[in-house]
Amino acid sequence: GENVEQHPSTLSVQEGDSAVIKCTYSDSASNYFPWYKQELGKRPQLIIDIRSNVGEKKDQRIAVTLNKTAKHFSLHITETQPEDSAVYFCAAPSGNRLAFGKGNQVVVIP
Amino acid sequence: DGGITQSPKYLFRKEGQNVTLSCEQNLNHDAMYWYRQDPGQGLRLIYYSQIVNDFQKGDIAEGYSVSREKKESFPLTVTSAQKNPTAFYLCASSPGTASNQPQHFGDGTRLSIL
Repeated sequence: GENVEQHPSTLSVQEGDSAVIKCTYSDSASNYFPWYKQELGKRPQLIIDIRSNVGEKKDQRIAVTLNKTAKHFSLHITETQPEDSAVYFCAAPSGNRLAFGKGNQVVVIP
Repeated sequence: DGGITQSPKYLFRKEGQNVTLSCEQNLNHDAMYWYRQDPGQGLRLIYYSQIVNDFQKGDIAEGYSVSREKKESFPLTVTSAQKNPTAFYLCASSPGTASNQPQHFGDGTRLSIL
């Protein structure tokens, strides 16, 4: 099955700086890559996703880039704000389900 | 997402007791999923269902059971065989049965042992 890994496990950034989280996957046939944000005690929420026919997708301060050759995709958050502090999960298809990474803790320091 | 309702929000289990967690969706989604979340462990798949009256085991199905008698409902039973049930349980659904579909999560149920 698909093996999804996230790095770094914890990332601290100063408010206003950019944050980048990387996710690697193992199955070159994977074609869908979502990112979820989970605030403490709450449900994961889909914040952005990308399909394998594009290399980059943006939504305001959030962007995702995909490198199919290297089998990794990254979440970029610009102008970070305290409300960006959360755990971020990436995922990739594994058979007829999604395989999730273990999550990245992002801490935005005011 | 307001379309997935999990209940109760908090649940306590006694030794040797089975408990059932409810998950209802009004999104008309075909597929539904149950995940277990422990600190630092991410989301681990327990069971999933792509169609009514059918379901498949995930990665940690032992000690759990499910049913899918209606499209909108996918209850999870934590049996007494699950020796370490304390965790945060999340239900999710997706529009279709293919794995390249976004999943929408409920607010979760936090289960603890008395």
